[in-house]
Amino acid sequence: NAGVTQTPKFQVLKTGQSMTLQCAQDMNHEYMSWYRQDPGMGLRLIHYSVGAGITDQGEVPNGYNVSRSTTEDFPLRLLSAAPSQTSVYFCASSYYYPGQGNTEAFFGQGTRLTVV
Amino acid sequence: KQEVTQIPAALSVPEGENLVLNCSFTDSAIYNLQWFRQDPGKGLTSLLLIQSSQREQTSGRLNASLDKSSGRSTLYIAASQPGDSATYLCAAVGSARQLTFGSGTQLTVLP
Repeated sequence: NAGVTQTPKFQVLKTGQSMTLQCAQDMNHEYMSWYRQDPGMGLRLIHYSVGAGITDQGEVPNGYNVSRSTTEDFPLRLLSAAPSQTSVYFCASSYYYPGQGNTEAFFGQGTRLTVV
Repeated sequence: KQEVTQIPAALSVPEGENLVLNCSFTDSAIYNLQWFRQDPGKGLTSLLLIQSSQREQTSGRLNASLDKSSGRSTLYIAASQPGDSATYLCAAVGSARQLTFGSGTQLTVLP
């Protein structure tokens, strides 16, 4: 029962470096998303995907890229890290109840990123 | 744009008390509402999912209600225990299955 797996759990980057946060799910969910969590701001949606080959922007997409080549994987790329991207990043996948419009989201354990 | 508010931001209660956490949302056109628990330094654990056609859901000592017309949901915790100490988050699910989160209620249950 792996669920949603994120790697790495912790990362320190220097300003300007790039990196990829990995996210994988084994529940065959078509919907996946990335959030960042900051003190006092709650969780905010960065990017999401409704299926392989389809991605779209959320509330705070600037500085991040995503791709979805398979159902299982949804990596998040930081193009040129900035101190403002210091945050905890969560990946989620959602099960969609057919014909009901309802969805239940499952979250990974998070990646704590510090940009210095 | 959907906005979700959780009150109170923090709550401290003695063990054994029954308590209510509140969640309000501005757009009643939601598909469902989900309650999560987050322990310090950990991810989000789903507690309860209330579909838009439902008024409440129960799991053990937890009961969540949903009133779409008034834009409100409550999470009731019966007979609280120190192990219930955590941050509780609600999220409204709208079109495109996007979750809009409240800022959470940090609960401390004192032994």
